[in-house]
Amino acid sequence: QKEVEQNSGPLSVPEGAIASLNCTYSDRGSQSFFWYRQYSGKSPELIMSIYSNGDKEDGRFTAQLNKASQYVSLLIRDSQPSDSATYLCAGREMNRDDKIIFGKGTRLHILP
Amino acid sequence: GAGVSQSPSNKVTEKGKDVELRCDPISGHTALYWYRQSLGQGLEFLIYFQGNSAPDKSGLPSDRFSAERTGESVSTLTIQRTQQEDSAVYLCASSLAATGTQYFGPGTRLLVL
Repeated sequence: QKEVEQNSGPLSVPEGAIASLNCTYSDRGSQSFFWYRQYSGKSPELIMSIYSNGDKEDGRFTAQLNKASQYVSLLIRDSQPSDSATYLCAGREMNRDDKIIFGKGTRLHILP
Repeated sequence: GAGVSQSPSNKVTEKGKDVELRCDPISGHTALYWYRQSLGQGLEFLIYFQGNSAPDKSGLPSDRFSAERTGESVSTLTIQRTQQEDSAVYLCASSLAATGTQYFGPGTRLLVL
């Protein structure tokens, strides 16, 4: 059973600090990874995608991928109260069926 | 362009009734996913379409649940003889097969009384 694992949290981080969210995956064949943010009562929205080992930065967000260790992380710099949400990690299998597998999400709470 | 749309946005039904939920994916997206999300819980995968075929139906909770898709267009999720435990938000997402990025619809909130 291919899985994506996340700590459910809640993760509490002071405003202005760096929030670090982690995700591990079991399928070595996974090639594409995604971070989604979901506010309470809303649908998930894509924050970032990452396909290569290393870091990918977009504004206050940095995604990190380490395929050898099978983990993906998301760093949020200068955390704001508006970043409080559930963050979902997802990985895509590399076969003809193109299925995406989601983790259960980490709840992040930014403390004002 | 238009995003993923779902209808109805809210549905209240009585136990034992059948319901049909609709998803219109982004034009050109070949992959379509249905998820269920209970209050405070993660996404529960239901079924996935690539075109109008369903390579993975493993998430459908019971034979009361079925889904179909017309070509690379609209999909309907049907729940027969609804039960109270079917109450949840049903989310649809679509993606271009090549990139895998999923775009979600606003969801249908189903309440079974």
